[in-house]
Order: sequence, then structure tokens, then C-alpha cells
Amino acid sequence: AQSVAQPEDQVNVAEGNPLTVKCTYSVSGNPYLFWYVQYPNRGLQFLLKYITGDNLVKGSYGFEAEFNKSQTSFHLKKPSALVSDSALYFCAVRHSSYKLIFGSGTRLLVRP
Amino acid sequence: KAGVTQTPRYLIKTRGQQVTLSCSPISGHRSVSWYQQTPGQGLQFLFEYFSETQRNKGNFPGRFSGRQFSNSRSEMNVSTLELGDSALYLCASSLAQGLSSYEQYFGPGTRLTVT
Repeated sequence: AQSVAQPEDQVNVAEGNPLTVKCTYSVSGNPYLFWYVQYPNRGLQFLLKYITGDNLVKGSYGFEAEFNKSQTSFHLKKPSALVSDSALYFCAVRHSSYKLIFGSGTRLLVRP
Repeated sequence: KAGVTQTPRYLIKTRGQQVTLSCSPISGHRSVSWYQQTPGQGLQFLFEYFSETQRNKGNFPGRFSGRQFSNSRSEMNVSTLELGDSALYLCASSLAQGLSSYEQYFGPGTRLTVT
């Protein structure tokens, strides 16, 4: 069965520092992986996806994610964090039956 | 293109009542999915519709139902509301064609409070 794990409930980082939000997955077959961000009282916004191709995927707002098949990971990264990046981040895997399976979410706090 | 719209944005209902939520997908998107988000359970898949047919259903009781119209708009109904149904209900639409079908675009959600 497909599943996604986000081991950190919260990540704290200083503005200007690099950030990483971790995600590991378990799938049968090829993984289709996604990152979404949720701001307070808002829906989820699509950040990036990995379907096939380069292991380093670039997305919106300067975010990128690295697909690592051997470690079954898909960590979200950004070279320089902004205070406005503070939000709830979700990793997701596409289930074979068209639905998304989401991780539990990681709250990112970027302090000035 | 306009994004996914959901109405109403906020609802307060009483236990035992029923509620209908509406979702209008992005123009051209044929697939609509519904998710429930709660602090305790996180994001959980409810069901997905494509061309007016339910393709998938999550592990929710029969009180939760939905439908999709010929213009791809979708409605979700919850009957005999319980306190535990209080949640943010999110609708997502997808192109459902080729590799782009894997991207889902979410609406702002409907915040349902059951008292």
C-alpha cells in the first residue's frame, strides 16, 4: 500500500538560511510524488511534482525537491528561506486509483 | 484561468442536519476529488468523480455522498451530521489527461462546523 511519512511536525529555520522538509514514501511501482503548501485558512497550493526524469525537481517560489530512489525520499528544499515561507507543507504520493495520499504535514517556521 | 471555487466558504450546522457543498473545477478539468482535513486525522480522501462517474471512494460512511454534473461541477452531501464531521472540506480538480492528470489543484475549502 502506498504511504507517505513526514517525520518532523515542525521545522524551524532562520531567514536566509537553507531549509529542508523531509518526506519518505512507500509505493509499489513508480512513485508519483508531490509537495503542497497550505497557508492559514487557505486550500493547498501545488509546489512541485516528480513523475519521471531528473531527480532534482524545481517548483514554485524557489522551492526544489530531490528524489532519491534508494532512500525512498523526496525532501523539499530551498537555498534561502523567507519569513513568508512559514506555512504547513504536505508531501503526497499518487495512489494507483487516482487519489492522493498525504503525509501528516510539517509546519515550517522561518524566524526573522 | 479561474481557479477552483468552493461555496459556501463557511457553514455552521446542527447535529442531525444535512449539508451540501459545491465545487466548480478549473475550466477544462474533468476530474474532481474531495478531501476532508481535520487536526486529528489530517487530509483524508473522500471520493473522486470523472465524467459524472464516481471512480474512487475513501473509507467514509455512507452519510457522505457526492455527484458530478455534465459541466464537471461537483457537489458533496453529508447527511445526519455528527460533531466529528466538523472539518475543512477541500475540493481539487485535475485535467485527467496524460501526465498532467497527476496534478491536482485545490480550492480554498469549505469550513464546516457542527454544533
